[in-house]
This record gives sequence, structure tokens and C-alpha cells, in this order.
Amino acid sequence: GEDVEQSLFLSVREGDSSVINCTYTDSSSTYLYWYKQEPGAGLQLLTYIFSNMDMKQDQRLTVLLNKKDKHLSLRIADTQTGDSAIYFCAEGNSGYALNFGKGTSLLVTP
Amino acid sequence: GAGVSQSPSNKVTEKGKDVELRCDPISGHTALYWYRQSLGQGLEFLIYFQGNSAPDKSGLPSDRFSAERTGGSVSTLTIQRTQQEDSAVYLCASSASGVTNEKLFFGSGTQLSVL
Repeated sequence: GEDVEQSLFLSVREGDSSVINCTYTDSSSTYLYWYKQEPGAGLQLLTYIFSNMDMKQDQRLTVLLNKKDKHLSLRIADTQTGDSAIYFCAEGNSGYALNFGKGTSLLVTP
Repeated sequence: GAGVSQSPSNKVTEKGKDVELRCDPISGHTALYWYRQSLGQGLEFLIYFQGNSAPDKSGLPSDRFSAERTGGSVSTLTIQRTQQEDSAVYLCASSASGVTNEKLFFGSGTQLSVL
């Protein structure tokens, strides 16, 4: 299948901004998603962006999409310890099965 | 129910034994998905149900894996003759109708350990 790549680990200090990056290879991707997984829990949809958009902002979250470079990023402003989790990038097209990356573990230190 | 429920939350089994994993989707959701999350790997799509039918079983890794859904609700994922490489977290998700870009609701998963 098509690849979705993410860095595996990110550490930031509380109050700083976090930026999690993702690249994908499927040029037909129509929707791109960010999911959050807290320890022992399932995945929770954080936000998504359509491929005809280049930015979406939702409170502390900002998603940037560079469709030409197939690059997606998630910026979390004023990162809190409660934001510590694994963040998954996923892409989908007209199908139903999302293609997930391996996840980025975000550690927020006081 | 209020959310997607999976049971058991943890399962330890011996190599060669069969296991059954259960998923209760959100009431009224017609679409149901099984994914596998292995250590250090992303989520691997296994199978998708629309109602009781599985139009795509291509993600099932081998013929030891099977799944069914009854009454358009509960789904069971069965792994026969388990192998150590089957050890993973098995996640179930449901969505209202399975259309594109519909929000998926995930359960907490079943952690399967094959000794």
C-alpha cells in the first residue's frame, strides 16, 4: 500500500509549541487526518483537512497541508502535559480504509 | 452503547490456541472496521463490514484470521492456531454509515499476547 511516514518521537516543554510532521505518497489522497491515542485507549479523531485546503485551525491545533510536497503537519500551541500521547497521521481517498502512519510519541515535560 | 466496546481488554494465550475477540459498535452504526496495531508499526487495516457483509477482506493476513458480524451489530474476530507474530493490539472502530470521510469511533482495543 501507499506509505505514510512520521517521525517516531518528539519531546517538548510545557507551554511550548509542538509540531508533528507527516509525509504521504498517495497523490489521490482526498482527506488527511490526525488521530490521538492516549495510553490504554483507542484512537480519537483530533482534526482532518480536505486536500483542497492548505490550512485549518481549531483552537490550539493548526493543520498545514503542502499538497505539492505531500507534507502534512500538526501544530499544538501552548502544549500541556495532557497532550502527551501518540499522534497518528492518516490518509484516505474515496475508499473506506484509512492508511495510518506509525505514530509520533509526544512527550511533554514540565 | 455510548462508545465502541471491545472484549477482552487483554488476552494471553499459548501458541497454537484459537482466540476470539469481540467488538460491540456504537448502537446504530452500520459500518465496522478491524485494525491491528503491532509494536512500532502503524495501524494495519484488516477487514470492513457494512451491515453483516464484508466487502473487503483483503487485509486479513492469513487464512487463520476470520471475522463475522451478526445482526448488524456485534463482530467477532477469530484467530486460529495463534502464532507469536499475531501478538498485537486489535482495534475495532465503527462509523454511522461508512461513507467517505465519516468519523471513525475506536474502541480501546484488545491486547493479544501469544506466548
